[in-house]
Amino acid sequence: AQRVTQPEKLLSVFKGAPVELKCNYSYSGSPELFWYVQYSRQRLQLLLRHISRESIKGFTADLNKGETSFHLKKPFAQEEDSAMYYCARTDTGRRALTFGSGTRLQVQP
Amino acid sequence: DTGVSQDPRHKITKRGQNVTFRCDPISEHNRLYWYRQTLGQGPEFLTYFQNEAQLEKSRLLSDRFSAERPKGSFSTLEIQRTEQGDSAMYLCASSLILSSNEQFFGPGTRLTVL
Repeated sequence: AQRVTQPEKLLSVFKGAPVELKCNYSYSGSPELFWYVQYSRQRLQLLLRHISRESIKGFTADLNKGETSFHLKKPFAQEEDSAMYYCARTDTGRRALTFGSGTRLQVQP
Repeated sequence: DTGVSQDPRHKITKRGQNVTFRCDPISEHNRLYWYRQTLGQGPEFLTYFQNEAQLEKSRLLSDRFSAERPKGSFSTLEIQRTEQGDSAMYLCASSLILSSNEQFFGPGTRLTVL
């Protein structure tokens, strides 16, 4: 079964510190990886996906097939980055997203 | 608001009762998905539709659960004979066939089974 693992339930950093939210996935076929974010009292929304190789709100994520990882990084955290972050995957021929259990990022002033 | 909408936002019911939730996707979106999210977990896939056809169902979708999308627009998710374990947030999402599978989520319906 396809799995997505986010080992940290909570990550607390100070404003201006670097952030790395970890995501590992089980090796299976050719997954497409995503990061979704949920800010307080807002709905779940797409942050970025690996195929577009873009940077959104200063966040980047690189797919490392050797380590089966898709860690989310930002060099300087901002207070407005505080949110719940979910790593997710789909697989060839499927549309369903498989989510990790999420990591809550707290950026302290 | 032209995003995905869900109704009701909250539902409290007694064990054994039937409940029905509605999802209205973004108007031009062909695909519609249902997920369930319990406390401390990420969303879990239940089922998805392309237009009116139900193309995939998770093994999580027991025979007490049924979903429909009769005209390829809004969808309903019914749970019969609710159990306390059904208490969760039920999320709906929609996407375009020609998109890169970016799914747009609704606010969810929180179900509490007493």
